[in-house]
Amino acid sequence: EPEVTQTPSHQVTQMGQEVILRCVPISNHLYFYWYRQILGQKVEFLVSFYNNEISEKSEIFDDQFSVERPDGSNFTLKIRSTKLEDSAMYFCASSQDRGSNQPQHFGDGTRLSIL
Amino acid sequence: GQQVMQIPQYQHVQEGEDFTTYCNSSTTLSNIQWYKQRPGGHPVFLIQLVKSGEVKKQKRLTFQFGEAKKNSSLHITATQTTDVGTYFCAGYSGNTPLVFGKGTRLSVIA
Repeated sequence: EPEVTQTPSHQVTQMGQEVILRCVPISNHLYFYWYRQILGQKVEFLVSFYNNEISEKSEIFDDQFSVERPDGSNFTLKIRSTKLEDSAMYFCASSQDRGSNQPQHFGDGTRLSIL
Repeated sequence: GQQVMQIPQYQHVQEGEDFTTYCNSSTTLSNIQWYKQRPGGHPVFLIQLVKSGEVKKQKRLTFQFGEAKKNSSLHITATQTTDVGTYFCAGYSGNTPLVFGKGTRLSVIA
């Protein structure tokens, strides 16, 4: 069964540094998402992406965050100047389409640790 | 904004006992999805409910969507150790992104 793949599985970064988290969505999916999950807490929506542009974003997704689809397969989340509170698990997800009847398929996540 | 509340936060059961988690939305939902996250894993889609009053079953799991489409429940009959994990409901309301509840963490004692 096709999967969403994320790299790296764990990223350790000094505060203030930039990080790029990478995702390869399922190949025939059109909508891509980033979520954040602080340890032991709920999954929080960050941003959705369709047709090479942001479709929706949450209040968490401020100016330090950006997303990009640099080629036909990768979908990246960049955090420009990391803060301690950015430490969390970041999940990428994709769905065939947007719409309330579309299940989202999640990757294994990248654990981001800010020192 | 839309909020999705889920109770209980934690549930410890003996293997073989039943388990239920409840989900309530502050707004009427167009649909609700349920996900399971194993410890250290990622959310995995279980099911989606769309119609008012809908009930769906997957083996020992029974999912219900309330008549007003503002609440939902997941019931597991005769829990097994493989049921361990956190169960999240997640709802769509209009054109908002999927909003997750805080989840119910299920522990099953053998």
